[in-house]
Amino acid sequence: GEDVEQSLFLSVREGDSSVINCTYTDSSSTYLYWYKQEPGAGLQLLTYIFSNMDMKQDQRLTVLLNKKDKHLSLRIADTQTGDSAIYFCAESIINDYKLSFGAGTTVTVRA
Amino acid sequence: DVKVTQSSRYLVKRTGEKVFLECVQDMDHENMFWYRQDPGLGLRLIYFSYDVKMKEKGDIPEGYSVSREKKERFSLILESASTNQTSMYLCASSLRNEKLFFGSGTQLSVL
Repeated sequence: GEDVEQSLFLSVREGDSSVINCTYTDSSSTYLYWYKQEPGAGLQLLTYIFSNMDMKQDQRLTVLLNKKDKHLSLRIADTQTGDSAIYFCAESIINDYKLSFGAGTTVTVRA
Repeated sequence: DVKVTQSSRYLVKRTGEKVFLECVQDMDHENMFWYRQDPGLGLRLIYFSYDVKMKEKGDIPEGYSVSREKKERFSLILESASTNQTSMYLCASSLRNEKLFFGSGTQLSVL
């Protein structure tokens, strides 16, 4: 089976950059995703990257993929209080319908 | 935008009751999923379906069953609810093996 791991907690000061890290084990992954879950809500797709890309930027979000090390990161620039949430890393595998999720990183933004 | 609707936001049931959780998606997606989310454990896949009347077990199917009579609707059934099934239940849908779209979740409490 696939294993996706991420650290459980991150505390960051408002205005700083946040970096959330994720590692995965399956080398046949096709897409890697970042989802955001605000308190009491479902998961919202933030961004995703195809496995043959190294980087993707979308406004304040930058995704970096190191396929050799099977390491994915999400950088949030100028972190705001509204970025406080749980962030999930997930991967999809070729010819598989399912996504494998990490346990989620709880990001707390302090003033 | 894809909409995935879960019928209840909060449910309180008694031990031994039969519980139905309903999920409807409006984008003609082939795949539908049921996950449960528990603190520190992330998302765990209960069942998924890749077509009408088709279902496959996920990682934790024990104590659950599912029904997919129509493409847009995927139901999760707890035949005899137990206290260890108290959890947040998340439904999702996807087209082929692409990104998942999630509903808002159902917080189920079994007393």
